[in-house]
Amino acid sequence: GNSVTQMEGPVTLSEEAFLTINCTYTATGYPSLFWYVQYPGEGLQLLLKATKADDKGSNKGFEATYRKETTSFHLEKGSVQVSDSAVYFCALSDLSTAGNKLTFGGGTRVLVKP
Amino acid sequence: GAGVSQSPRYKVAKRGQDVALRCDPISGHVSLFWYQQALGQGPEFLTYFQNEAQLDKSGLPSDRFFAERPEGSVSTLKIQRTQQEDSAVYLCASSLEISDTQYFGPGTRLTVL
Repeated sequence: GNSVTQMEGPVTLSEEAFLTINCTYTATGYPSLFWYVQYPGEGLQLLLKATKADDKGSNKGFEATYRKETTSFHLEKGSVQVSDSAVYFCALSDLSTAGNKLTFGGGTRVLVKP
Repeated sequence: GAGVSQSPRYKVAKRGQDVALRCDPISGHVSLFWYQQALGQGPEFLTYFQNEAQLDKSGLPSDRFFAERPEGSVSTLKIQRTQQEDSAVYLCASSLEISDTQYFGPGTRLTVL
């Protein structure tokens, strides 16, 4: 079956530091890959997505590249802000084999200190 | 426009009680999903509707869980004879079509005492 593994947190950073959150996946078909973010007290929001190999998703200074050869979709941001403190979830959907239901990783809590 | 809404936002139930959780998807969205998020974990798929048809209920953990979407819009997730292990946040998401981005509601936090 499909699965997503992401690095455990919490990750604590200083403002303007570089952020990387690792995500790897297992899928039998041709998945689309997503990063969702959950800010304190809010619901899940789509941060970025990529639908095929070598695609790069980007939004709000965050980037992630769909790497089929390493089955990875690592999230990066060059200079984090306090407002980036949140829980980040890597996810996949595989329309070819499992409908469009999302399979999530366990989440990574990020805390950015001023 | 309005996003996905869920009610109630918080629900406390005594073990053995039945509960009903409501989801109002974005108007016009065909697909509707329910997920369960235990504390400190990622959401896990429960069930999926396309219009009023429940096409996948493989994630429902037991026959105490039942979902419906009778008119293809509002959906209700019902849990009968709640147990402590049912305590979680229940998330609803909708998408315009099956292959489109899913938009999530704020969730209902269920606590079973």
